[in-house]
Parts: sequence; C-alpha cells; structure tokens
Amino acid sequence: AQSVTQLGSHVSVSEGALVLLRCNYSSSVPPYLFWYVQYPNQGLQLLLKYTSAATLVKGINGFEAEFKKSETSFHLTKPSAHMSDAAEYFCAVSLSGGSYIPTFGRGTSLIVHP
Amino acid sequence: DAGVTQSPTHLIKTRGQQVTLRCSPKSGHDTVSWYQQALGQGPQFIFQYYEEEERQRGNFPDRFSGHQFPNYSSELNVNALWLGDSALYLCASSFRTGNYGYTFGSGTRLTVV
Repeated sequence: AQSVTQLGSHVSVSEGALVLLRCNYSSSVPPYLFWYVQYPNQGLQLLLKYTSAATLVKGINGFEAEFKKSETSFHLTKPSAHMSDAAEYFCAVSLSGGSYIPTFGRGTSLIVHP
Repeated sequence: DAGVTQSPTHLIKTRGQQVTLRCSPKSGHDTVSWYQQALGQGPQFIFQYYEEEERQRGNFPDRFSGHQFPNYSSELNVNALWLGDSALYLCASSFRTGNYGYTFGSGTRLTVV
C-alpha cells in the first residue's frame, strides 16, 4: 500500500518569495511520485513527475522537486512566487511495479500575497 | 489536440436518484480512471477501465458502476444517490498503465439535494 502526507493545508507566501510545499510518502516498493496543480473549478494538471531517473525533477512554470529516499520526501519548490501560482497543489504516489494508480494527498492551498 | 472532456460540467440531483457522467479521453489514451473529490479533499480513486473492463476498483460501494466503450470513452453511473455523493467527479486518461502520469478533465460538479 502507498500513501502521501502533505504537511500544511495552507501555505502563504509573498510574491517573489520562495515556495516550499512539503510531501512525505510511504511505499512498500520504489515509488513513482507526482505533483499536480488544481486551479479553481478546474481539473488537475501535472506539474512534474519522478519515475526513478534523476532525483531532481524539473517541471512546468519554474517548479522543481527533489526525491530524497532517506527522508521519504518529495518537496515541491519554486525560487520566486508569482500571483498566478495561487492554487491547490496535490502530491501523489504510485507503485513502480504495479498498477501505477496514483494515491493523492489532501492537498496544500498556496496563497500568494502581493 | 483535445484533452480529456467531461460532461456535464454541473449537475443537481435529488437523493435516491441515479446519475450518469461521461468522459472522452485524450487522443491516444486507452485507459480511463474515475476519481471523486469532496470539498477540501484530495481525489479518491473509484475505478479504472481498460479494454472495456474494470481493471481496478477503489473503496467505493457497488452503487458506483462504470462502462468503457470501444472508442475508449467512459461513463460513471451512481445509483441511489446520497447527500454524501456530492463532489467533483474527475475523469483521468492515460496510455496503458499510466506510469508517466494521468491527464485529467475539468470534472463534473455533482450536487445532491
């Protein structure tokens, strides 16, 4: 079985500040990890994915995440927040040797202040 | 290239009624998964269809059923609606196992009154 825990239901940053959204996973086998973003009244859009290649993964819109096996973490970062980054962010995990059906965390709402 | 298309976008039903939601996958995708997203929660996996058969199922009662057609489109049916079924229903498509990520539709907002 696999699961993810997203620390912090809300994260508030100022425009131009560093964005850090935390995700810890639990998996019995090497995981595949994903970050998705959801804007109001829309579906989920894939930001980036880790599928056992490079541990530092770069995604769209300037986001990146680092897979740290020793910490079972896959935190999402962006050097400088923009107002348009305000959205709900979901971390997800799937099993690399199985059905690949992702299990999602509860989400973190990113609030960006001017 | 059209992404995942879901219909309708919004729906209001009365308790005890039945509802059918529809999904057309992204071009080139052959697998469709359905998720339920309650307000303030992450998406919860309902089931996945591949080759017109239910391949996997999450922890949802039999009131939730589905179908996949030869053109890979899919339907989600919910019988005997409860108030608790009110949620955003998301359809996601992928190619085969989907290990490179899913493409999601914008969802159907179901309100049960």
